[in-house]
Amino acid sequence: NAGVTQTPKFQVLKTGQSMTLQCAQDMNHEYMSWYRQDPGMGLRLIHYSVGAGITDQGEVPNGYNVSRSTTEDFPLRLLSAAPSQTSVYFCASRDLAGDYNEQFFGPGTRLTVL
Amino acid sequence: QKEVEQDPGPLSVPEGAIVSLNCTYSNSAFQYFMWYRQYSRKGPELLMYTYSSGNKEDGRFTAQVDKSSKYISLFIRDSQPSDSATYLCAMSARTGNQFYFGTGTSLTVIP
Repeated sequence: NAGVTQTPKFQVLKTGQSMTLQCAQDMNHEYMSWYRQDPGMGLRLIHYSVGAGITDQGEVPNGYNVSRSTTEDFPLRLLSAAPSQTSVYFCASRDLAGDYNEQFFGPGTRLTVL
Repeated sequence: QKEVEQDPGPLSVPEGAIVSLNCTYSNSAFQYFMWYRQYSRKGPELLMYTYSSGNKEDGRFTAQVDKSSKYISLFIRDSQPSDSATYLCAMSARTGNQFYFGTGTSLTVIP
């Protein structure tokens, strides 16, 4: 199993550009999520999904869009990038069966917005 | 007020020392308490989790939860240079789908 994969690893954007961060998992997990990690702020939840066609907002959703058309994929879209969106982005997934299941994180995407 | 507070450190200890890492929280609905380890430029990996109050031990690692004080701890015994990483606490409600993370504590174990 590849686990959770993210592409690209690095990206530089100019203010106002749009892009999509890709996330895929091969563990058949219902739950997928996106976090951003900033110095002094820790990991903050952007959006999450509990299954295909179902998404919800986390702590910091503004400026980001998501959709979930398949169990495997959960892309994160930046419609008009801003310097405040410079961050490291992590995707994670977990099984929803049972009381508690571990979240598995991808390797991250480092995004710089100039 | 942030949901979860964690001292960012950095913390530097000699090899073999006992390390204590702590987090406080404000939301009494939190029932699951997790500790993640994150090596530089990698994604976080779950170390251990506890449900509600009490202690949990796994090898050199012990997690403690005191819900009355809204305080959780991770103890690392006989620390090793390979333990050098950032440690993040995280919490969620029992039926919640949102996880709240601390800022992380950077730990360096000196050989």
